[in-house]
Amino acid sequence: GAVVSQHPSWVICKSGTSVKIECRSLDFQATTMFWYRQFPKQSLMLMATSNEGSKATYEQGVEKDKFLINHASLTLSTLTVTSAHPEDSSFYICSVPGTSGIGSTDTQYFGPGTRLTVL
Amino acid sequence: GNSVTQMEGPVTLSEEAFLTINCTYTATGYPSLFWYVQYPGEGLQLLLKATKADDKGSNKGFEATYRKETTSFHLEKGSVQVSDSAVYFCALFSTGGGNKLTFGTGTQLKVEL
Repeated sequence: GAVVSQHPSWVICKSGTSVKIECRSLDFQATTMFWYRQFPKQSLMLMATSNEGSKATYEQGVEKDKFLINHASLTLSTLTVTSAHPEDSSFYICSVPGTSGIGSTDTQYFGPGTRLTVL
Repeated sequence: GNSVTQMEGPVTLSEEAFLTINCTYTATGYPSLFWYVQYPGEGLQLLLKATKADDKGSNKGFEATYRKETTSFHLEKGSVQVSDSAVYFCALFSTGGGNKLTFGTGTQLKVEL
């Protein structure tokens, strides 16, 4: 399957600072990437869809100004948690949908996740 | 809207025991169904999938059959190993759901010697 990387794998920051998380598609170009948030012992919650060349599409209840998404290129999307607070501590995961060339369009390839801890 | 319901865990089994993790779904249209696995400290990996009714997905000894009549996609394995300890997520993909994956809450499996 396709390889998706995330950086950093974990980060600890002080309350009020901003943190940027990168998601890279290593095997193919991706016009769309997804960002999820996973709480302990809970399922993945889709936060937003990152679109290359246009604005991200946010799910209901997700603050656009809090979680800034930039699809910088066909292989890179970034999620910036602005003015982070302890309640933003979570596991953030990105995914890349398959294309007809690699996997199928209904399959997603997930990054290893980024553990954010806000003190 | 679309939804996926999984049995709550954790599920604790002895090695070589039979595993069943139940999953039922509600969806518009004709969804594709998936099982993803998350090993400790790692991201999700696709375990198996089925795209239409009566299809059976299988991988690494795991299998699940797409049952449209019962809207279910239960995961089974005949003989689990310690290395199967992980969290298992049932999910569906439906174009009627905005081309997004909808996940269940996940079921943690612990396999002991």
